[in-house]
Amino acid sequence: KNEVEQSPQNLTAQEGEFITINCSYSVGISALHWLQQHPGGGIVSLFMLSSGKKKHGRLIATINIQEKHSSLHITASHPRDSAVYICAVTHTGNQFYFGTGTSLTVIP
Amino acid sequence: KAGVTQTPRYLIKTRGQQVTLSCSPISGHRSVSWYQQTPGQGLQFLFEYFSETQRNKGNFPGRFSGRQFSNSRSEMNVSTLELGDSALYLCASSLSQAVYNEQFFGPGTRLTVL
Repeated sequence: KNEVEQSPQNLTAQEGEFITINCSYSVGISALHWLQQHPGGGIVSLFMLSSGKKKHGRLIATINIQEKHSSLHITASHPRDSAVYICAVTHTGNQFYFGTGTSLTVIP
Repeated sequence: KAGVTQTPRYLIKTRGQQVTLSCSPISGHRSVSWYQQTPGQGLQFLFEYFSETQRNKGNFPGRFSGRQFSNSRSEMNVSTLELGDSALYLCASSLSQAVYNEQFFGPGTRLTVL
């Protein structure tokens, strides 16, 4: 069983659509990270959060500690948002666990 | 401010050889973490170095090792290479310990083991 589960695995959306990616985890965490990986491998950290909600531009990340669940929302999606989105948690024992990623394709 | 740099970007080795990868963190960052990414296993945490000391270690065999220098640059070494070690190796730096800080990733080193 994976410590971090993401859904969906693959997602195709029309430009302008509202997108939600979900992440559930089973371990105690210090923080949860949302990462974005474009073709070619480069990874960018989008959010690090341990409670509540954070917003950056069209991206919103929420976390519910009691339910061990986080969501990443993209409003008004754009083709440049096409990437793999990875949920990662830092375990209270200082280990990092990663989800398998959600591959997002936004069609113009 | 320059980002995280990794060298080399691409590497081809044969089974049984050893390899050393290098990572230069963002200036002022004291923590460097290493990750392995494969199509089958996804991203996996290798280890983290902070102030020249290994602080955390993932579940990898002893063939995988690393070190950090006084200028925070880090190297990782893989000895007795196996075909399964073919992967993208990423390093990330952060101001302080990675557990509590945003990480900035390098472009990765793609290692192919033949």
